[in-house]
Amino acid sequence: DSGVTQTPKHLITATGQRVTLRCSPRSGDLSVYWYQQSLDQGLQFLIQYYNGEERAKGNILERFSAQQFPDLHSELNLSSLELGDSALYFCASSGNNYNEQFFGPGTRLTVL
Amino acid sequence: KNEVEQSPQNLTAQEGEFITINCSYSVGISALHWLQQHPGGGIVSLFMLSSGKKKHGRLIATINIQEKHSSLHITASHPRDSAVYICAVRSRNGGSQGNLIFGKGTKLSVKP
Repeated sequence: DSGVTQTPKHLITATGQRVTLRCSPRSGDLSVYWYQQSLDQGLQFLIQYYNGEERAKGNILERFSAQQFPDLHSELNLSSLELGDSALYFCASSGNNYNEQFFGPGTRLTVL
Repeated sequence: KNEVEQSPQNLTAQEGEFITINCSYSVGISALHWLQQHPGGGIVSLFMLSSGKKKHGRLIATINIQEKHSSLHITASHPRDSAVYICAVRSRNGGSQGNLIFGKGTKLSVKP
C-alpha cells in the first residue's frame, strides 16, 4: 500500500459526459502528479500540483483540468469525454520534485 | 524516436534465470526511476537513482550517466516477478522539470 488513495476505482460513462477523479496523497506529501495510461500511448504525464499551485503541465487536453485543495487532495476533471479518453488514470505523490513518487491504485475510465 | 527506449519489449524466462532489462534515454536527466506494474494495474516504485548502483533484495539497478543507459537486473527470477517493468526519467530541463518521461515498458513473464 503506497498510502496514495484514488476514487473511484472504476468509472463507466458515455461520450460527452463529465467526470471527476479524486486523489489523496500520502500524509505529508505536497506534490501531486496526474498520469494517463492508454493502450496505445503508454504512461503520459498530465499535470503536477505542489502545495495547491500548478507546478507543471504535460500532455493535458484543454477538456481536462485539475486542482489541488488546501487539504492537499486533488481532483482531475475530464469533460466532453470521447472514446479515446478511456484509460487508466494514476495519481502519484511525493514530498517535492526530487523525491521518489508513490503511485495510487488508479482509476479505470471507460467511455462508451 | 522516443526519449526513453526500453529493451526488450517482451521477455519470457524460466524460474531461476538471471534477467536484464535495459533502458536508454536521450534527454538530460536528474534521476531515473524503475517502476513495476502488476497485472492488476497497480504501479510500484522499485528504484530511483541518479548515479551508480542500487540493490534491493533480488533486484539491482545500475545507471551510466555518460552513456545515458540504465539496467534493471533480477537474480533468481520467480513467477511472482511477472509484471511490466517501466523505466522513467526525470528531465532536468525547462518547465517539465521534475516530471517523468516513461518508456513503453518491458513485459516479463517468468515460467515455473
